[in-house]
Amino acid sequence: AQSVTQPDIHITVSEGASLELRCNYSYGATPYLFWYVQSPGQGLQLLLKYFSGDTLVQGIKGFEAEFKRSQSSFNLRKPSVHWSDAAEYFCAVGAYNTDKLIFGTGTRLQVFP
Amino acid sequence: EAGVTQFPSHSVIEKGQTVTLRCDPISGHDNLYWYRRVMGKEIKFLLHFVKESKQDESGMPNNRFLAERTGGTYSTLKVQPAELEDSGVYFCASSQAVAANTGELFFGEGSRLTVL
Repeated sequence: AQSVTQPDIHITVSEGASLELRCNYSYGATPYLFWYVQSPGQGLQLLLKYFSGDTLVQGIKGFEAEFKRSQSSFNLRKPSVHWSDAAEYFCAVGAYNTDKLIFGTGTRLQVFP
Repeated sequence: EAGVTQFPSHSVIEKGQTVTLRCDPISGHDNLYWYRRVMGKEIKFLLHFVKESKQDESGMPNNRFLAERTGGTYSTLKVQPAELEDSGVYFCASSQAVAANTGELFFGEGSRLTVL
């Protein structure tokens, strides 16, 4: 069965520091992978997605993620975090023949000035 | 353009009562999804509508949950009777294409349900 693991429940970084949020997935074939962000008082918003091709994908707000098949990972990165990046981040996996996304438990990011 | 709207934003009810959550998707989006997040857990799929038809309701927890989408526009999710374990945030999302094809789900802010 498909599953997504986000090992870090809560991460705190200083503004301007680099960021990496971890995501591991379990799926038999090539997965479709997504990162969503939920800012306070808002719904989830798609940051980026990987379907195929280049394993390094660029998203909105300066985020990127790298698909590593050998590690079953799809970690989210940002070189310099801004205070407005404080939010909860969700990794998700989908499959071509299903219409549902499987989400992880989320990672809450706190940014200190 | 209006986004996905959900009502109410927060509902507090007692065990055994009934609650109805409403979702208005983005206009023109045929696909409508309900998800639920229990405190500290993952966001779990409940069901998927294509227009007014239930495409997949494999995530519905039990028969106390009833979802409808009359006329293929807004959707309601009724919980009757509510139990303590039903507490959580219920998210609605909509899309033009199915979720796994594009990943571009547009989410509402969620309806927080607290069952006492």
